[in-house]
Order: sequence, then structure tokens, then C-alpha cells
Amino acid sequence: KAGVTQTPRYLIKTRGQQVTLSCSPISGHRSVSWYQQTPGQGLQFLFEYFSETQRNKGNFPGRFSGRQFSNSRSEMNVSTLELGDSALYLCASSLAGGPLNEQFFGPGTRLTVL
Amino acid sequence: KQEVTQIPAALSVPEGENLVLNCSFTDSAIYNLQWFRQDPGKGLTSLLLIQSSQREQTSGRLNASLDKSSGRSTLYIAASQPGDSATYLCAVRLATGNQFYFGTGTSLTVIP
Repeated sequence: KAGVTQTPRYLIKTRGQQVTLSCSPISGHRSVSWYQQTPGQGLQFLFEYFSETQRNKGNFPGRFSGRQFSNSRSEMNVSTLELGDSALYLCASSLAGGPLNEQFFGPGTRLTVL
Repeated sequence: KQEVTQIPAALSVPEGENLVLNCSFTDSAIYNLQWFRQDPGKGLTSLLLIQSSQREQTSGRLNASLDKSSGRSTLYIAASQPGDSATYLCAVRLATGNQFYFGTGTSLTVIP
């Protein structure tokens, strides 16, 4: 069974640009969560999607958005990139919502903003 | 707001030593706690998941304990090996919602 996949793995952008990251969950999983990891702030929750609906959102500005498609694949978008957006972006999938279900993490997308 | 802290931030031990990593959380109303391992630049690998009703979980050389009332968890690694070198993260989930609250991490180096 394939694990969680994220594309691209590495990305370099310049300030002011926008970027879209993709996450394909494990087959059959309907919940996808996104996290940002930086050396200063550690791992922080961005948002969670379940059955194409955003169910939970962390404390990030509106420049960070996401969506989920009917096949459960999810994308996150960051507009007007800032230097501080440089981070490892991780997504995690689970069978359904709620803490009862174990989450499985992808390898991450390393975003560098110049 | 749930705050999760890990001590120490970094640890260096000779191969073969037993070691303990600590995790504390401020809100004891957790649903479960999970320990992860992260290799440099990589994603997270789940090590152990402890439900709030459990006191400990074991997998091979790893043993994790949970004391919900005091807001603490420990990860015990027996007979450490150089391959154990990585960052170890603990994360808790509340009874509502699906998000993890992650700790600050402990960077472990096992010296051959």
C-alpha cells in the first residue's frame, strides 16, 4: 500500500510569488492535514480537510489556503510569499476524522523563498 | 492552548547507553500521545501511540509511558545505536479535533 506522497519535494520561489503544494493521501483515507515546520516555531498546524471541507484551521494568515478534491487529494496554496514562509511543509492523512484515527505523514515539501 | 515541551533539546550519548526523553503538556485533557522520529530533512515516522487510557506502550527497544494527570510522557530507548540518531518529537491530540500539538523536539546523537 503506497504511503502519503507530496509533490514537489523541493521548491524555490522568490518573494511575492505564489506556490501550490500537493498531497496525495493513502488510498481510502479521507482526512488530510497540513503542517508547517520551521527551526524557530517547530511544527505548527495549518488546516485539515475532510470530504472536501475544511474542518479545522490553525492560526495562519489568509495567504495560506487549501482545498481537497473528490479523490481526497489536497493542495495548499501560499500567495504573496514572504521570506518567513521558507519551511518544510508536511501533510498527514488518516482514514477519517477525529483523534481515534492514526495519522500518517508524507516526506514533506521543502520550500525556500529567496 | 495546549503547550508541549520536550527536555532536553539535545542529547549526545555513547553507543549502548539507555536513555530517557521527556515530554510535558499543559492540558491533561488529551485523547492520545504519539512519539515520532524525524531524520534530517525528512518526514515523520511514527514510533509509538499511547491512548489516554493507557499507561505505556512498547515496541522493540522503545518504551513510552504516559502520566496524563501530571501532563508527562517519557520515551525510553534501550541499548542505543548510532542508527537511533535523529530528532524525536512527541505530539498530543485532544478529544475534539484532529490536529497534533507538537513538542519542541529532542535531537539525539548516538556516538559509535
